[in-house]
Amino acid sequence: GENVEQHPSTLSVQEGDSAVIKCTYSDSASNYFPWYKQELGKRPQLIIDIRSNVGEKKDQRIAVTLNKTAKHFSLHITETQPEDSAVYFCAATIPFSGGYNKLIFGAGTRLAVHP
Amino acid sequence: EPEVTQTPSHQVTQMGQEVILRCVPISNHLYFYWYRQILGQKVEFLVSFYNNEISEKSEIFDDQFSVERPDGSNFTLKIRSTKLEDSAMYFCASSGGGERPDTQYFGPGTRLTVL
Repeated sequence: GENVEQHPSTLSVQEGDSAVIKCTYSDSASNYFPWYKQELGKRPQLIIDIRSNVGEKKDQRIAVTLNKTAKHFSLHITETQPEDSAVYFCAATIPFSGGYNKLIFGAGTRLAVHP
Repeated sequence: EPEVTQTPSHQVTQMGQEVILRCVPISNHLYFYWYRQILGQKVEFLVSFYNNEISEKSEIFDDQFSVERPDGSNFTLKIRSTKLEDSAMYFCASSGGGERPDTQYFGPGTRLTVL
């Protein structure tokens, strides 16, 4: 069935270090992979996304890589700051012919960045 | 920047009562979604809605749930007879407009507490 596995569930780093979160998806039809950051009690906010025709995308301190063959994608945060502390969710879309899609979320990674 | 809005932010109800959660999607979007997040867990897809009908629904979205777009701006989720296990954060999302048609933008959520 449709599933996205996400690891690790918790990640603790020192300010300035890098953080890597990894996800694996099951449906080979998935073609769009967004990452959301969710602060406590707030809405999921899109931070970066990648489409299946691209292997890597970078936006300042955040980068995402995609390996379609292995059905893996990863989030990389460099030079972490305390304000990066949040829960990060990966997601994979199941596209439909009508133009809409369905997001399948991973279980989330709680990132703590310590000053 | 346009945002998805939701009301109320918090709804407390007695088991067996009906609740209606309201959302105003981003105005030029075509596809509308409801997701739920039980405390501490992942975000789960409930239903997608396009062209005034349900396009996809999950196993969670049983006969107790219904969605409606009563006018040109609102999108509602109704739970007919709430159960304790319906307690969760409910997020509305919309997509299908502008430069990023795949991207789903989430509202701030409604926290539903069933007593």
